[in-house]
Amino acid sequence: GEDVEQSLFLSVREGDSSVINCTYTDSSSTYLYWYKQEPGAGLQLLTYIFSNMDMKQDQRLTVLLNKKDKHLSLRIADTQTGDSAIYFCAEYAGANNLFFGTGTRLTVIP
Amino acid sequence: EAGVAQSPRYKIIEKRQSVAFWCNPISGHATLYWYQQILGQGPKLLIQFQNNGVVDDSQLPKDRFSAERLKGVDSTLKIQPAKLEDSAVYLCASSSTGLLYEQYFGPGTRLTVT
Repeated sequence: GEDVEQSLFLSVREGDSSVINCTYTDSSSTYLYWYKQEPGAGLQLLTYIFSNMDMKQDQRLTVLLNKKDKHLSLRIADTQTGDSAIYFCAEYAGANNLFFGTGTRLTVIP
Repeated sequence: EAGVAQSPRYKIIEKRQSVAFWCNPISGHATLYWYQQILGQGPKLLIQFQNNGVVDDSQLPKDRFSAERLKGVDSTLKIQPAKLEDSAVYLCASSSTGLLYEQYFGPGTRLTVT
């Protein structure tokens, strides 16, 4: 079955870059996603990447995918206090369904 | 475009009581999902509807949980009777089939069972 792992916590200083990592097990995943969850709110889709891509950039966000190692990362450039949230990695598990990791809590220190 | 609506936002009940949650998806979205998110974990799919039919309910504890989407639009999720371990945030999401499988999430209902 699918297993998506993330480190639980990350702290960075405002203005620095943040890198959130994720490993997954299902090599047949076609899409991989990053979601953001702010306190008391639902999940917000940040970005996604096709499995046949190595990198995707969207403004301050850069997603890197290493299919060989089944490793996905999200880099946030110039991290701001408003980026403090929990970030979930998710893989497409077929049948229009997503399988989520446990989330990484990003804390941005002013 | 209005997002996914859920109510209530918060609910506190005692164990063995019943509770129901309501979800109204984004207009035109055929697929609707209910997730359970226990504190400190990622969301876990409970049930998926395509229009008014169930696509996947393999993770739904059917002895106490039920869900329906009778007219293929809004949906209710019920727990009867509730247990302490049901304390979680219940998230509803919807998607428009064919749009790269994106799911749009509602704000969730935080359930506390005492």
